[in-house]
Amino acid sequence: EVQLVETGGGLIQPGGSLRLSCAASGFTVSSNYMSWVRQAPGKGLEWVSVIYSGGSTYYADSVKGRFTISRDNSKNTLYLQMNSLRAEDTAVYYCARARIDYACVYWGQGTLVTVSS
Amino acid sequence: QSVLTQPPSVSGAPGQRVTISCTGSSSNIGAGYDVHWYQQLPGTAPKLLIYGNSNRPSGVPDRFSGSKSGTSASLAITGLQAEDEADYYCQSYDSSLSLGVFGGGTKLTVL
Repeated sequence: EVQLVETGGGLIQPGGSLRLSCAASGFTVSSNYMSWVRQAPGKGLEWVSVIYSGGSTYYADSVKGRFTISRDNSKNTLYLQMNSLRAEDTAVYYCARARIDYACVYWGQGTLVTVSS
Repeated sequence: QSVLTQPPSVSGAPGQRVTISCTGSSSNIGAGYDVHWYQQLPGTAPKLLIYGNSNRPSGVPDRFSGSKSGTSASLAITGLQAEDEADYYCQSYDSSLSLGVFGGGTKLTVL
């Protein structure tokens, strides 16, 4: 059974850093397109970043230069390193396994990141 | 401002048919990239409803159907039920952004 479990969210001050983790089971992270999608309170979905099976990475303009997506193949885990956090980064962050056509078939339960002083 | 445009809300009575539109541009839907649809119930993660424009994952009722034409796509829900009340999102890939993109979401109210 495919499972994705995000951890690492919490309350952080503006300018701070946080690393989100997404532990996967039932499939191999490195063989799939893995993504981070976020949803600000009461708002819609926003695609944050993707890492391809080949290792290429892409980011939304809103996080480029501040966020880094990566994976640990030995732990079968996806990460999102978030630096220079801003209030507008406050959201529930979901990790998702995507097909090659970018359809997100499997989603985690999400982890809430709150950026506030 | 979302890359894909959806109506903020739609409504219908039980048993009726509703459609939700999704309009893109030449760098996403119009470029031939597939459109996918998600259903999100309050407090839960999105659930894939339609993939590849018109395909239903296992377990999704055939009351849900999708179509695509030109730079737009549509989700149709027939035989509306109370449990269909949720937020619905369309999604595609955008070549100018090199990333997936979502519509702003449509809230479906079952009257």
